[in-house]
Amino acid sequence: DTEVTQTPKHLVMGMTNKKSLKCEQHMGHRAMYWYKQKAKKPPELMFVYSYEKLSINESVPSRFSPECPNSSLLNLHLHALQPEDSALYLCASSQETVYNEQFFGPGTRLTVL
Amino acid sequence: KQEVTQIPAALSVPEGENLVLNCSFTDSAIYNLQWFRQDPGKGLTSLLLIQSSQREQTSGRLNASLDKSSGRSTLYIAASQPGDSATYLCAVSDASGGSYIPTFGRGTSLIVHP
Repeated sequence: DTEVTQTPKHLVMGMTNKKSLKCEQHMGHRAMYWYKQKAKKPPELMFVYSYEKLSINESVPSRFSPECPNSSLLNLHLHALQPEDSALYLCASSQETVYNEQFFGPGTRLTVL
Repeated sequence: KQEVTQIPAALSVPEGENLVLNCSFTDSAIYNLQWFRQDPGKGLTSLLLIQSSQREQTSGRLNASLDKSSGRSTLYIAASQPGDSATYLCAVSDASGGSYIPTFGRGTSLIVHP
C-alpha cells in the first residue's frame, strides 16, 4: 500500500468555524508533513512530524494546529481562519525525513468564506 | 538559502515529441532531488527520486539526470502523449546547515496536444 489518504476532499467553512483535516498512511513511514498550496504556486511547507513529534513549524499562525495521534495519522485542526487561508492542503509522508522520498495525498480543497 | 528554478515555465508540444524539462539549484550540497507530476487541483505524484550519489534514474518513458557540480537536473520524457499533460515540479532536499526539507521549484506546465 503506497497510498496517502486525505479527508475531506473539499471543505467550506466560515471564519468562526472549527474543523479538522485528516491524513492517513499505512506504509510504516515515520515522517509526515502538512503543506499549503495556492493556485499556480509550489507547495509551501507548514509542519513536519518525525516519530510523532513536531520537528518543524514554519512560522504558521496559531489558527492552524497540527496533531499526530499515532504513526499513521496526522490531523490539522482549523479555527478562526481567514479567507486568504483558502488553498489546497496537502499531506505527505516519507520513510524518514533524511534521504526522503515523499508520497503525497490527493489534498483537501479548503474554502474560507 | 537554496533556490530552485525550473525552465521553461510552460511548454506546449504535439504528441510524439521527446521533451526535456530543466531544474537548476543554487546549493550543490543536496541529499536528493525528486521529480513530481501534479494534475490540476490534485496532489503530487512522485515520478523519480535521485540520490546525491546517483547520476540518473529511469522509469518507463521518463529519465532524470543529476549533475550536482553544476546544480542541474533534467527530466527527459520520450514519445510524449496527451496523458502527460500536467505540471512537473522538482524538489531538492538540501543538506547544508542540517536542513533536509525539500525546496520546490515553481514547476513547468506541460500541454501535449493530439
